[in-house]
Amino acid sequence: ILNVEQSPQSLHVQEGDSTNFTCSFPSSNFYALHWYRWETAKSPEALFVMTLNGDEKKKGRISATLNTKEGYSYLYIKGSQPEDSATYLCASHEDGGFKTIFGAGTRLFVKA
Amino acid sequence: NAGVTQTPKFRILKIGQSMTLQCTQDMNHNYMYWYRQDPGMGLKLIYYSVGAGITDKGEVPNGYNVSRSTTEDFPLRLELAAPSQTSVYFCASSPNNRGSFTDTQYFGPGTRLTVL
Repeated sequence: ILNVEQSPQSLHVQEGDSTNFTCSFPSSNFYALHWYRWETAKSPEALFVMTLNGDEKKKGRISATLNTKEGYSYLYIKGSQPEDSATYLCASHEDGGFKTIFGAGTRLFVKA
Repeated sequence: NAGVTQTPKFRILKIGQSMTLQCTQDMNHNYMYWYRQDPGMGLKLIYYSVGAGITDKGEVPNGYNVSRSTTEDFPLRLELAAPSQTSVYFCASSPNNRGSFTDTQYFGPGTRLTVL
């Protein structure tokens, strides 16, 4: 089972701060890298899917980059708001791409 | 579309009891998945299915069984419940019509299971 690691485990920021966190994954046999946003008491919702080295995706104040050669992706949030408080999950694939492996997530707390 | 629905929302089991967690999707998705969420551990894949009649093990399949007789339904069976199976269970589906792994997964609301 491949290891998808996320850091930090949790992060506390003030409203207006910009922040970023990391997802690391094995760079061999790469298929795709997904980011999900998971609010407390809700279900995970997709943010981005990235496949190509150097990919950059953006949705509002949230953006992500991908480096498949070194096996990492960064998620950035510009000007954090309290509503950004959530767990951010990344996921990669193994076993011919069929199995989705999630990282443990980064729990973001944004204080007003 | 209702999306992915799961029943029940909550359940308490005694050790050794059995139960089936139901999952249904109305999006005609080929792929379906079962995950469990343990505190601080993110989501662990239990079983997945790439189409009706085809299932395979994920990271943590022990103690569980699945079946996929139709495209819509993917029930998860616990035969002899153990305290270690106390968790929140999420079902998900994705299109993957052309074998693409870029399709995102759509998650159900979850089932909170406690085994005492």
